Amino acid sequence: QVQLQESGPGLVKPSGTLSLTCAVSGGSISSTNWWSWVRQPPGKGLEWIGEIYHSGSTNYNPSLKSRVTISVDKSKNQFSLKLTSVTAADTAVYYCARVLSAGALNFDYWGQGTLVTVSS
Amino acid sequence: DIQMTQSPSSLSASVGDRVTITCRASQSISSYLNWYQQKPGKAPKLLIYAAFSLQSGVPSRFSGSGSGTDFTLTISSLQPEDFATYYCQQSYSTLPYTFGQGTKLEIK
Repeated sequence: QVQLQESGPGLVKPSGTLSLTCAVSGGSISSTNWWSWVRQPPGKGLEWIGEIYHSGSTNYNPSLKSRVTISVDKSKNQFSLKLTSVTAADTAVYYCARVLSAGALNFDYWGQGTLVTVSS
Repeated sequence: DIQMTQSPSSLSASVGDRVTITCRASQSISSYLNWYQQKPGKAPKLLIYAAFSLQSGVPSRFSGSGSGTDFTLTISSLQPEDFATYYCQQSYSTLPYTFGQGTKLEIK
């Protein structure tokens, strides 16, 4: 059973950098899966941020691409998200998820999510 | 971006009811459509992938159909644990994957 666990600061100052890590257990990050970040502002819907493969290949949401970096650490079986120049609009629950290719690419395993608030 | 529009945005129903939620894509996405259930304070849970395939462990009262631009999620007989918010998501185009705005299913 694959498990994902997000970690990182719950409070980030405006114009600062949001940094989160997703630890993967019960499976290898070097498997044939991509690994994604998805966020959800309070009371709103889901927004895909980007994804990474264990080789380091990435895809990003064009709406966030200039501010996002996703990286992978195979030795620690984890991947990370950095979002720069944050504003209050970046306040959200951030989820990490595994991308499974099964007919349609889907998110089959999710972390429990971590709330990041952007405030001074 | 491919826009996903769900209807209705909210729905009131009773235990035992048959419920249908619709998702429409702004362009054809073949069968690259998934459905998720989200309960308050929890991560989304995959229910249906590739338009009609039931994820392992998901009760058979959930079913999906459609292709191209129009899709439906049907719950054949609502159970108390089914009251939640449901999202569709397309993966026809990676840049970016997009979700519908959600349908909140409430108890009547």
